[in-house]
Amino acid sequence: KAGVTQTPRYLIKTRGQQVTLSCSPISGHRSVSWYQQTPGQGLQFLFEYFSETQRNKGNFPGRFSGRQFSNSRSEMNVSTLELGDSALYLCASSWTGDEKLFFGSGTQLSVL
Amino acid sequence: AQSVSQHNHHVILSEAASLELGCNYSYGGTVNLFWYVQYPGQHLQLLLKYFSGDPLVKGIKGFEAEFIKSKFSFNLRKPSVQWSDTAEYFCAVTRTSYDKVIFGPGTSLSVIP
Repeated sequence: KAGVTQTPRYLIKTRGQQVTLSCSPISGHRSVSWYQQTPGQGLQFLFEYFSETQRNKGNFPGRFSGRQFSNSRSEMNVSTLELGDSALYLCASSWTGDEKLFFGSGTQLSVL
Repeated sequence: AQSVSQHNHHVILSEAASLELGCNYSYGGTVNLFWYVQYPGQHLQLLLKYFSGDPLVKGIKGFEAEFIKSKFSFNLRKPSVQWSDTAEYFCAVTRTSYDKVIFGPGTSLSVIP
């Protein structure tokens, strides 16, 4: 069974640009969560989608948004990038969202 | 707001030493508790979880954790660490009924051969 796939693996952007990250969950998983990982901050919860609906949201500004498609694939978008958005963005999938999470390798975003 | 704290940012141990990593959470109701591990260059993966029942839970690779409800704690233990246990360890919590999973800041463990 294929794991959680995130693309692209690396991204370099400049301030003010926008970026879209993609996540394909494990087949059959309906919940997709996104996290921002930075050294010292650990994993900060961005949002969770379940069956195409945003079910939970973290404390990030509105520049961070996401969506989920009917096949459970998810995308997150960050508009008007800031230097502080540089981080590893992790996607995790699960059957229902509150049990074992399966993580992808992440997308390393660098904002210059 | 729900939060998770981990006692140590970085722990350095010699092989065969015992390990205990502290984790406390702020939510007072029913919770599900997890420890995840991130080995260098690998995905985050589940070490163990507690949903209900016996508060002492066993996970993979000889790890165990004890849930103490009165202390809002879920500490991770291993009696004898190996060099291969060098990794970052994250405690996580979620309330039941499909709430978000909140992670602690992580503890970096370095095991010296």
